Amino acid sequence: EIVLTQSPDFQSVTPKEKVTITCRASQSIGGSLHWYQQKPDQSPKLLIKYTSQSFSGVPSRFSGSGSGTDFTLTINSLEAEDAATYYCHQSSSLPHTFGQGTKLEIK
Amino acid sequence: EVQLVESGGGLVQPGGSLRLSCAASGFTFSSYAMYWVRQAPGKGLEYVSVISSNGGSTYYANSVKGRFTISRDNSKNTLYLQMGSLRAEDMAVYYCARVGIVGATTGYFDLWGRGTLVTVSS
Repeated sequence: EIVLTQSPDFQSVTPKEKVTITCRASQSIGGSLHWYQQKPDQSPKLLIKYTSQSFSGVPSRFSGSGSGTDFTLTINSLEAEDAATYYCHQSSSLPHTFGQGTKLEIK
Repeated sequence: EVQLVESGGGLVQPGGSLRLSCAASGFTFSSYAMYWVRQAPGKGLEYVSVISSNGGSTYYANSVKGRFTISRDNSKNTLYLQMGSLRAEDMAVYYCARVGIVGATTGYFDLWGRGTLVTVSS
């Protein structure tokens, strides 16, 4: 099973700040890495597919990069509505796995 | 409207059974592989099971293998998860999710339901 480790687990940030969340895979997953946003009492929503492809309707301040084992989600100019938990997800092999999540708090 | 709606959750005793359903609408259900993903209270996301678009292939997480069965009825646009020998650690919100590529069995999840809560307790 491929283990995904996100960092940090928690981050308190101010609006307009730039945020970087990393996801490291225990083995190479090529580009099969996706990012989701989950707000309290809501289901996850897809932000980025296949490392860097923005999903339809997602604000342009969200972007992704990386390859192999190291991946990054970047949020430029953070907005209050971005308060949420963010998860990475690998679909390179079964079982699919998720990172443990990164909770963003807006100051 | 394109959506997935889960149902069937509830309170069940340890060792009991439950069947979850996921009703799809607004898209050609039979063209997409479907997943069940769960989330224990206050915890992260966990893959449970996948079924191919035609139902011919299924896979399970080791934690549920032999106890859960995934199935689908494409004529009813509905996905199912039959859960048996339930344990306390199965307690979670169960989401159904669609793979975002027609015909693919793996990939990103572009559509999620709102989830249904399964509580395992005596």
